[in-house]
Amino acid sequence: GDSVTQMEGPVTLSEEAFLTINCTYTATGYPSLFWYVQYPGEGLQLLLKATKADDKGSNKGFEATYRKETTSFHLEKGSVQVSDSAVYFCALNQAGTALIFGKGTTLSVSS
Amino acid sequence: GAVVSQHPSWVICKSGTSVKIECRSLDFQATTMFWYRQFPKQSLMLMATSNEGSKATYEQGVEKDKFLINHASLTLSTLTVTSAHPEDSSFYICSARDRDRGTNTEAFFGQGTRLTVV
Repeated sequence: GDSVTQMEGPVTLSEEAFLTINCTYTATGYPSLFWYVQYPGEGLQLLLKATKADDKGSNKGFEATYRKETTSFHLEKGSVQVSDSAVYFCALNQAGTALIFGKGTTLSVSS
Repeated sequence: GAVVSQHPSWVICKSGTSVKIECRSLDFQATTMFWYRQFPKQSLMLMATSNEGSKATYEQGVEKDKFLINHASLTLSTLTVTSAHPEDSSFYICSARDRDRGTNTEAFFGQGTRLTVV
């Protein structure tokens, strides 16, 4: 079945460092891909998305490109802030089904 | 943007009692809503898919008699944890997809409900 694999954390960075969180997927067909962020004690917020190959999703300085050839959707940010500390989930969606999530990556940014 | 409101945000109940959690889509209609359970520092586990006007579809291993799901309207789904026990303590999150945006789009999430059974 479809699945999402993302790098295990925690990822610990200093403020203004470059961030990469790897995400790869296995799916039949052409899923949509998402990154969600979860702050402590809260639900998930959509961070960015891409619906087809070569699409780049971006939001709040975060970017991810849908790479069909490598089945990847890595999350990047050029300069992280303390406020970016959270858990990040990569997810995929096939039409009409529930989102399939990776296990989540905890990011901790220190000043 | 699309907003999903989940209520209550936290609840403490005694063992053996039932707890109802509501999930509302505030500014869109949702034919389908999803209920997840999240254990500490773990990913979201899909419990069931709730379809308006019909029975929910439960994932393997989820007790349908214990976790009652009702999706009576296009904006409201409820999850009732019946005869709750301490092992049911968890973070429950609902999500909904805007039916007017198509089926291959993002889902919007409620803020979650922290259930503690004592």
